[in-house]
Amino acid sequence: NAGVTQTPKFQVLKTGQSMTLQCAQDMNHNSMYWYRQDPGMGLRLIYYSASEGTTDKGEVPNGYNVSRLNKREFSLRLESAAPSQTSVYFCASSAGQGAGGTEAFFGQGTRLTVV
Amino acid sequence: QKEVEQDPGPLSVPEGAIVSLNCTYSNSAFQYFMWYRQYSRKGPELLMYTYSSGNKEDGRFTAQVDKSSKYISLFIRDSQPSDSATYLCAMRNQGAQKLVFGQGTRLTINP
Repeated sequence: NAGVTQTPKFQVLKTGQSMTLQCAQDMNHNSMYWYRQDPGMGLRLIYYSASEGTTDKGEVPNGYNVSRLNKREFSLRLESAAPSQTSVYFCASSAGQGAGGTEAFFGQGTRLTVV
Repeated sequence: QKEVEQDPGPLSVPEGAIVSLNCTYSNSAFQYFMWYRQYSRKGPELLMYTYSSGNKEDGRFTAQVDKSSKYISLFIRDSQPSDSATYLCAMRNQGAQKLVFGQGTRLTINP
């Protein structure tokens, strides 16, 4: 059982380049999330999708866009990368509040460096 | 002021010691409280989950929630080197989709 799969695991971008981080879950979860993790800042929510077809901003959405492609997949796009977006990005999923699900399952992370 | 405060450490203790990890929070509406463990270069994994106040025990781990003080704790008994990781507290409201995380405490258990 794969759980939450993120691709790529590592990426180096030049300032101004664009890229899409991919995330897929095989647990039939309703809700999916994108977080970034920086030293001393903990996990900060970028965007989330409570259910297929909906997306909402989190704490730090500027510079990012998301797409909930279907129930399984939730992608994060950086249109014009900046050095401040150097971070470790985690995708997570959960069954959703309405289904009684609280536990969030996390992927292994994408280490992104913007130079 | 952050909604959830957690001392980032680092915390270093000898093997076999009792470890106490703590978080404070300001939002009295939080009802669900979680502890996640994150090994180096891995994603966080759920360790303990508590609803409202009280204690919950799972093996060597005990989670405590004191809503009157807005304070949660994770105790690790008979700590092992394999417990070395970053521990993150997280919490949310009754009707919320989003979890609010603490900064995480880096813990090292020395053999």
